[in-house]
Amino acid sequence: AQSVTQLDSQVPVFEEAPVELRCNYSSSVSVYLFWYVQYPNQGLQLLLKYLSGSTLVESINGFEAEFNKSQTSFHLRKPSVHISDTAEYFCAVSDPDTGRRALTFGSGTRLQVQP
Amino acid sequence: NAGVTQTPKFQVLKTGQSMTLQCAQDMNHNSMYWYRQDPGMGLRLIYYSASEGTTDKGEVPNGYNVSRLNKREFSLRLESAAPSQTSVYFCASSEQGGANYGYTFGSGTRLTVV
Repeated sequence: AQSVTQLDSQVPVFEEAPVELRCNYSSSVSVYLFWYVQYPNQGLQLLLKYLSGSTLVESINGFEAEFNKSQTSFHLRKPSVHISDTAEYFCAVSDPDTGRRALTFGSGTRLQVQP
Repeated sequence: NAGVTQTPKFQVLKTGQSMTLQCAQDMNHNSMYWYRQDPGMGLRLIYYSASEGTTDKGEVPNGYNVSRLNKREFSLRLESAAPSQTSVYFCASSEQGGANYGYTFGSGTRLTVV
């Protein structure tokens, strides 16, 4: 079964600074990868996903993530964060080859953007 | 607005009480899921239903039962609540095979068992 590791439970950063949230998954032949964002007291929203094709995927609000198969990673980056990016971010993986039709989530990274 | 609706939003139970968490989606999705979210542990899958009429256990099914009432509704039942079941519960849905394409989540039910 797949597993997802988010090594950083909290990442404090100043506004307008760059940020990287790390995500590693256990090895598999093929995977689909996702980042979800959860704002305080809300449900999770899909931020971006990698299914196939270009290994660099982007969201509409400036985040990007790069699929790296050799390092089994899918790190999330933003070159300049805003206060409004303060939220918890979850990496998730789907393993289409096993037939298990559910996502496995990491433990989450809380991004705290300070003025 | 289309989406996933969960009720109730908040609930306090006494140990041993039972309750059902309701979930409904109006996007004509085939697959539905129940997760629990605990601090530092992310989301863990309790049960899922790949299509109407089928249900399967996830990582942490003990103490829970589910019913896929129809294509729209997927309920989660706690028969005898325990303090360890204090958590935030999320329902989600996706198109068939749609774990590969991501979920739409409800806003969650915050459950406290005392």
